[in-house]
Amino acid sequence: KAGVTQTPRYLIKTRGQQVTLSCSPISGHRSVSWYQQTPGQGLQFLFEYFSETQRNKGNFPGRFSGRQFSNSRSEMNVSTLELGDSALYLCASSTGQQVHGYTFGSGTRLTVV
Amino acid sequence: AQTVTQSQPEMSVQEAETVTLSCTYDTSENNYYLFWYKQPPSRQMILVIRQEAYKQQNATENRFSVNFQKAAKSFSLKISDSQLGDTAMYFCAFMKRGAGSYQLTFGKGTKLSVIP
Repeated sequence: KAGVTQTPRYLIKTRGQQVTLSCSPISGHRSVSWYQQTPGQGLQFLFEYFSETQRNKGNFPGRFSGRQFSNSRSEMNVSTLELGDSALYLCASSTGQQVHGYTFGSGTRLTVV
Repeated sequence: AQTVTQSQPEMSVQEAETVTLSCTYDTSENNYYLFWYKQPPSRQMILVIRQEAYKQQNATENRFSVNFQKAAKSFSLKISDSQLGDTAMYFCAFMKRGAGSYQLTFGKGTKLSVIP
């Protein structure tokens, strides 16, 4: 069974640009969550989607957005990039049942210069 | 809001020995889930063990076990017979149980080094 796949693995962008990150969940998983990981702030929740609907949103500015497609694949978009957006972005998928927890991908390392 | 605290930024243990990682949390919720995740240098977060707060029995997974003290809001992870492959960052995480809550709240992590 394939795991959670995130693309690209690494990304370098210039301040002011926008970026789109992709996440393919485990087959059959309908819930996809996104987290930002930085040395200073640790792991912070961005948002969670289930069956194409956003169910939860973290405390991030509107520059951070996401969506989920009918095949459960998800994309995350960050517009008007700032230096502080440099981070590891992790995607996680789940069956939707909380007790199972989440299976994470290997992340996309975004560097804003 | 929930908070998760891991008071040990770094720890080390000799191979084959036992080590315990601490985690405390603050919540007003009565029903929730607790998790330990491992993040090796490959960056992927791997679920190590989970605990359901309404179950009094401590969870175990092979060499990994937890000591869950609900009243004290403590959730420590014990690793027995430590192996070199256990070297990683370990994160404690909390999730409120029930519809409407689908986010994990993580601690800052403990960097564990297993020494040969």
